[in-house]
Amino acid sequence: AQKITQTQPGMFVQEKEAVTLDCTYDTSDPSYGLFWYKQPSSGEMIFLIYQGSYDQQNATEGRYSLNFQKARKSANLVISASQLGDSAMYFCAMREGNNAGNMLTFGGGTRLMVKP
Amino acid sequence: GAVVSQHPSRVICKSGTSVKIECRSLDFQATTMFWYRQFPKQSLMLMATSNEGSKATYEQGVEKDKFLINHASLTLSTLTVTSAHPEDSSFYICSAGGTSGRGEQFFGPGTRLTVL
Repeated sequence: AQKITQTQPGMFVQEKEAVTLDCTYDTSDPSYGLFWYKQPSSGEMIFLIYQGSYDQQNATEGRYSLNFQKARKSANLVISASQLGDSAMYFCAMREGNNAGNMLTFGGGTRLMVKP
Repeated sequence: GAVVSQHPSRVICKSGTSVKIECRSLDFQATTMFWYRQFPKQSLMLMATSNEGSKATYEQGVEKDKFLINHASLTLSTLTVTSAHPEDSSFYICSAGGTSGRGEQFFGPGTRLTVL
C-alpha cells in the first residue's frame, strides 16, 4: 500500500484565492512527522511546513497551514491568498518514528497552477 | 533554513564514463545525507542513505556498485555514477537532515545528468 497518497495530479487556483492540496498517509507507528515541500521548475525542493504526530494544533507558517486530521490520516496543505509564484509541484512527505535521521517517504506530488 | 549545495548542477557525459556529484552542507554538520533520483513528472525516489564514516544503506533495486556513495566528512557526501548509460540520465538530488529534531531534510539544488 502507498504510504503517502496525493490524489490531485494537477490543480488550478485563481490568484488571491485559497487552495487546499490533499495528502493522506498510512502508518502504524504512533510517532511520525509530516512535511510539505514545494518544487518550482528550477528543481530545488523547498521545505514549507511540518506537523508532528503528537502536535495538538495545526501547523502554520505564513500563508501555509496544515489541516491535520489524525483520525482520518490526512494532512492537507492550505495555501491562502495564492500568488503567481506559488505555481509549482508540491510534495507531501512522512517520516516514521521519532528519529530525526529517518528517511522521508514522498507522495506523487500535485502540480499547482495559479491563474492571473 | 540550512543550506545544502550540490555540484555540478548539470553534466553531460558519454556512455561508459563515470560522473561524481558532490553534496555539501554549508552551515551545519550532517551525519546523515540522502540521495534521491527524480524522473520527469515523477516524485523523488530514495536511492540511498549516506552515513558519515560508515557504508551507505541502499534501497532495494539500487545497484551499489553502480552508484557509489562516500560520506567522508560531516559536511560532504559524494555520489559517483559509474559506467554511466543513457538510462542513468535523470535528476539527482541530495538532502541533509536538519538539526531541529523534527527530521526535516534540506535539499541541494539538484544535478541534471545527461548520458549520451
